[in-house]
Amino acid sequence: DAGVIQSPRHEVTEMGQEVTLRCKPISGHNSLFWYRQTMMRGLELLIYFNNNVPIDDSGMPEDRFSAKMPNASFSTLKIQPSEPRDSAVYFCASRGLAGGSGELFFGEGSRLTVL
Amino acid sequence: AQSVTQLDSHVSVSEGTPVLLRCNYSSSYSPSLFWYVQHPNKGLQLLLKYTSAATLVKGINGFEAEFKKSETSFHLTKPSAHMSDAAEYFCVVSEAAGNKLTFGGGTRVLVKP
Repeated sequence: DAGVIQSPRHEVTEMGQEVTLRCKPISGHNSLFWYRQTMMRGLELLIYFNNNVPIDDSGMPEDRFSAKMPNASFSTLKIQPSEPRDSAVYFCASRGLAGGSGELFFGEGSRLTVL
Repeated sequence: AQSVTQLDSHVSVSEGTPVLLRCNYSSSYSPSLFWYVQHPNKGLQLLLKYTSAATLVKGINGFEAEFKKSETSFHLTKPSAHMSDAAEYFCVVSEAAGNKLTFGGGTRVLVKP
């Protein structure tokens, strides 16, 4: 299996621009998570989906952030408009077994720099 | 509610000496517990997991962890550190049902030659 695939790996953009991060989970996994990691705040859960349905988006910072999962093999995290404080590494992770023993499988992350 | 506390934000060891990373958790239910490692500019990788079977769990790269319910601890150890162990380590607790996972704040390990 190719693992969780994220793109782009690196993105540099200017403040005010729209940013779209993409994720392909492991085939057969039915839960997908978006995390953000910064030096100051560590690893934060933004949103997670179960069977393509958003279950908990309480971690999404504000209305500038949105996430979709149109099908079981693809998800996007969009920031519009972007701000310098959004600079972080964004991780996508998938899980095949909800609850208890199922571990998360992480992608390599998308490093976002907003100038 | 569940929570995870990693007692050390940084640990420094010499190559060839033991490593101990401490993790305490709280959970209303019998939890599953995980340790993840993150090398620089990489995603998180599972080291090992506890899921109510044997309390001593062996993972990859010579790491192991012991689940101690009475102490609500899940400390990670390795008998002999290698330079490649320099990374950040996260302790994670998962609720019995659903998708609530709670991450500790991480412990950054430095290995000195």
